[in-house]
Amino acid sequence: DAGVTQSPTHLIKTRGQQVTLRCSPKSGHDTVSWYQQALGQGPQFIFQYYEEEERQRGNFPDRFSGHQFPNYSSELNVNALLLGDSALYLCASSHPWGNTEAFFGQGTRLTVV
Amino acid sequence: DQQVKQNSPSLSVQEGRISILNCDYTNSMFDYFLWYKKYPAEGPTFLISISSIKDKNEDGRFTVFLNKSAKHLSLHIVPSQPGDSAVYFCAASEVSSNTGKLIFGQGTTLQVKP
Repeated sequence: DAGVTQSPTHLIKTRGQQVTLRCSPKSGHDTVSWYQQALGQGPQFIFQYYEEEERQRGNFPDRFSGHQFPNYSSELNVNALLLGDSALYLCASSHPWGNTEAFFGQGTRLTVV
Repeated sequence: DQQVKQNSPSLSVQEGRISILNCDYTNSMFDYFLWYKKYPAEGPTFLISISSIKDKNEDGRFTVFLNKSAKHLSLHIVPSQPGDSAVYFCAASEVSSNTGKLIFGQGTTLQVKP
């Protein structure tokens, strides 16, 4: 049973560029959430996708956008990269309702230079 | 606005002893709480959870206690093992909101010495 997989694992981008991160959820899960983890901090909720729509959004600017495909996989796009966007980006999958734990991928380490 | 706080950045214990990690929250709407463990270069791994209708949940060496009146939860690891050395995050959610959004604390780095 494949868990949550993310690609790429590491990425270096220049300030002002755009980046796309990808995530495949755990088998049987249809809900995907994205988190940003800055150094020394806990993960911060960016947004969640369910049934190909953004269901809830955290306190992140519109430069952060996403998409969910019919096979439940998801992309996170960040435009006009800033140095402060350097972080570990985590994807988590879960069931959409009730008490349910989220399963995380290994993350994508994004460095903006 | 830090709704979930882990006030101890680090904790060091001897192998075989008890590890107690603490977490406080401010939002009384939170009704589901989770603990995750994270090793370097890996994503967080789910450890144990507790619903607000309970005050204790146990799974092997791991026990989570919830004190709703104090808005406080703790994770007890007994006995502690060197392999438990990792960063531990507590997280909270409002199940009633049906979003699954998790609010995380800043994490506590646990070191278990042989």
